[in-house]
Amino acid sequence: GESVGLHLPTLSVQEGDNSIINCAYSNSASDYFIWYKQESGKGPQFIIDIRSNMDKRQGQRVTVLLNKTVKHLSLQIAATQPGDSAVYFCAETQGGKLIFGQGTELSVKP
Amino acid sequence: AAGVIQSPRHLIKEKRETATLKCYPIPRHDTVYWYQQGPGQDPQFLISFYEKMQSDKGSIPDRFSAQQFSDYHSELNMSSLELGDSALYFCASSLGQGPEAKNIQYFGAGTRLSVL
Repeated sequence: GESVGLHLPTLSVQEGDNSIINCAYSNSASDYFIWYKQESGKGPQFIIDIRSNMDKRQGQRVTVLLNKTVKHLSLQIAATQPGDSAVYFCAETQGGKLIFGQGTELSVKP
Repeated sequence: AAGVIQSPRHLIKEKRETATLKCYPIPRHDTVYWYQQGPGQDPQFLISFYEKMQSDKGSIPDRFSAQQFSDYHSELNMSSLELGDSALYFCASSLGQGPEAKNIQYFGAGTRLSVL
């Protein structure tokens, strides 16, 4: 079936380093790909989205890259901070539904 | 700023009992979504409502039903509870039906349901 999934379940980085979280997807028909952040005990929080006809989009300290050729999505976080520690989910929209992939837990070491 | 409010935060039920989860969206948001998240799992879309009408349906069991009321709050009704229904249930809301509006969903803190 169609799915969105992540390569790495855990990622540990040093504070101040850049983080890269990867995601593979299988449904080429999705219009948008989105990244959500979920901190412990909280609901997911929207970070950034990218339309399928784009290959790069930048936000504040975050960049999303989309490679449709290999169906790969990544989230880059610059100068990672302790507050970035969370589980990160990639997701895609199918109609009105958000389809989440497996999360990656990002741990930031001080 | 007002966020999505879910109640209760925690709920303990026994097998075969019923449960009702409530969700109050951000003011002026017209779309409500329900998700189920098992331990260590990604959120799974259950159902959504736009302007009080069901707009999309996901992997919601037949034992569950939901509705959106005239004040835009929503309730998820769960009957004949099973052990496997133990999970975090999130409600999210958004404004409008455009694709970019649906990407940006605001989630509540969730209701943790434990079925014993």
